[in-house]
Amino acid sequence: GQNIDQPTEMTATEGAIVQINCTYQTSGFNGLFWYQQHAGEAPTFLSYNVLDGLEEKGRFSSFLSRSKGYSYLLLKELQMKDSASYLCAVNNAGNMLTFGGGTRLMVKP
Amino acid sequence: DSGVTQTPKHLITATGQRVTLRCSPRSGDLSVYWYQQSLDQGLQFLIQYYNGEERAKGNILERFSAQQFPDLHSELNLSSLELGDSALYFCASSRTSGRSNEQFFGPGTRLTVL
Repeated sequence: GQNIDQPTEMTATEGAIVQINCTYQTSGFNGLFWYQQHAGEAPTFLSYNVLDGLEEKGRFSSFLSRSKGYSYLLLKELQMKDSASYLCAVNNAGNMLTFGGGTRLMVKP
Repeated sequence: DSGVTQTPKHLITATGQRVTLRCSPRSGDLSVYWYQQSLDQGLQFLIQYYNGEERAKGNILERFSAQQFPDLHSELNLSSLELGDSALYFCASSRTSGRSNEQFFGPGTRLTVL
């Protein structure tokens, strides 16, 4: 079966760094995506990892370890507008995206 | 703006009814995906079409069906609606159906079943 786990909620302070973890157990693996979703809005693409290692894109970085079934999203220099849900999604063998429940991040002043 | 459009934005209907949700993908995208997002279950993949043909199926109920037309727009039909079908329904599109495809999501249709 498919199992993707993320923390339900996290809180961090403006200007700080936060790491959102995602562990997965899926039948097949064709890459892992991170999406950002503000309440009531559409998810928007943040990053894609298919090989082990770190992908950096501005304030956001994403890491993948396939052997451990583990990924994290790192957000630096947090801003109030980063308050949102962050969704981890695995592209499995059937080319379907299976999403985790999402991590709701609250950034406080 | 992702370039994916969905209509209607909001839909309120009664149990037992049937509704149709419409999605137009980004220009040039051949794949369309449908997702359901309810409060207690997160984002659930329903079905994918690629260039008019069904490509992948997720946890889609038998009461639900979809199709993709020659102009690549897609419709999701929900019938015999139940209270539990109330959710946000997202459509997404991508250029191909390949592995590294970034999916672009539309604004969603909020369905309320009373």
